[in-house]
Amino acid sequence: QVQLQESGPGLVKPSETLSLTCTVSAGSIRSSYWSWIRQPPGKGLEWIGYIHYSGTTNYNPSLRSRVTMSVDTSKKQFSLTLKSGTAADTAVYYCARGPEEYNGDPIAFYFDYWGQGTLVTVSS
Amino acid sequence: QSVLTQPPSVSGAPGQRVTISCTGSSSNIGASYDVHWYQQIPGTAPKFLIYGNNNRRSGVPERFSGSRSATSASLAITGLQAEDEADYYCQSYDSSLSGVVFGGGTKLTVL
Repeated sequence: QVQLQESGPGLVKPSETLSLTCTVSAGSIRSSYWSWIRQPPGKGLEWIGYIHYSGTTNYNPSLRSRVTMSVDTSKKQFSLTLKSGTAADTAVYYCARGPEEYNGDPIAFYFDYWGQGTLVTVSS
Repeated sequence: QSVLTQPPSVSGAPGQRVTISCTGSSSNIGASYDVHWYQQIPGTAPKFLIYGNNNRRSGVPERFSGSRSATSASLAITGLQAEDEADYYCQSYDSSLSGVVFGGGTKLTVL
């Protein structure tokens, strides 16, 4: 079954860029869209955005000005960068598979496989 | 303020039935976008439970069921067990935001 693993720094200084990578194993990165979702401590889930292996992206409007996602199919990885970090960006960041796609279009907006999550703290 | 509204908490005794509501609007659930449900035990990643309003993921017990009508959806859990104690999240797509939206989450306590 599909497995995902997040990696990246656990501590980012305010105003700096948060960068994370998700590695996909036991599955094809060409089979779906891939997403990033975050959860501030003690709070609910927030969708950040998704990317297709072709490079097509869609970002949460509230984060769009600061977010960039990319994909490296040869390494079976996709990545997240979030510029100008603040304390409000402190959260557990999850990568997940979804939405499901058909002919390159997202058709089913659910997330069936998740990474274990990685805590990123924005603090000096 | 989440786009999808869930009660902060629900509770029930072992063996009982509980429901968790998820209220949306005309740009998400009311626009016929499907609702999906996740279970999250504190300290762990969310687990995918229900997709397409009422379809259980393979391996999810039949005790879990989903429904949708108009601008709302519900998750029902029958025969409540101690292991069901967790946070539950609904999720859909919103055409006004052109993106995915989650409910604020509901904490289920098994008394």
